[in-house]
Amino acid sequence: NAGVMQNPRHLVRRRGQEARLRCSPMKGHSHVYWYRQLPEEGLKFMVYLQKENIIDESGMPKERFSAEFPKEGPSILRIQQVVRGDSAAYFCASSPLSGQEAFFGQGTRLTVV
Amino acid sequence: GQQVMQIPQYQHVQEGEDFTTYCNSSTTLSNIQWYKQRPGGHPVFLIQLVKSGEVKKQKRLTFQFGEAKKNSSLHITATQTTDVGTYFCAGDLAGANSKLTFGKGITLSVRP
Repeated sequence: NAGVMQNPRHLVRRRGQEARLRCSPMKGHSHVYWYRQLPEEGLKFMVYLQKENIIDESGMPKERFSAEFPKEGPSILRIQQVVRGDSAAYFCASSPLSGQEAFFGQGTRLTVV
Repeated sequence: GQQVMQIPQYQHVQEGEDFTTYCNSSTTLSNIQWYKQRPGGHPVFLIQLVKSGEVKKQKRLTFQFGEAKKNSSLHITATQTTDVGTYFCAGDLAGANSKLTFGKGITLSVRP
């Protein structure tokens, strides 16, 4: 049973480009969380999804950011028109049930130049 | 909204000393979880506490859930350099479809 897979591990984008971060949850897990982490800071909740549904997106900026978890395929966190302040580590986690033990991927380190 | 607080953010100990850190929530939690993140790594699940007053041990680590289910503690006996990392607590609001809310974490450094 593979763990949570995130790709790419590292992503460099120029200001104004789009960034697409992918997350394949563990097999059998239908709950996906995305978190953002700045250097030496905690995990800031962004969005919580179940298959095809956004349950809670209270932590996600209203503009430029979107997330989806389609019926087939990985969850995608999309950042349009990236700015330098978007540079951070983005972690995805999955769990089999709401609010239960979360398994984290290794993260995508986004650098905006 | 729900807040999960961990203070202080950093702590330095001498190898062999004991270490205790606390996690406090503004609301009652249905469960609390602890994670460890090594430098450059990703958070790894350590333990989940569900019952009021519950105590669980993992080798030198002892975790406790408060009676009111609003706070938790992590105690490490005789710290080792392998204990270095950031320890996060994460709380789940009592109820369905709730997200995990993480504290800011405490970064532990251990002097050999």
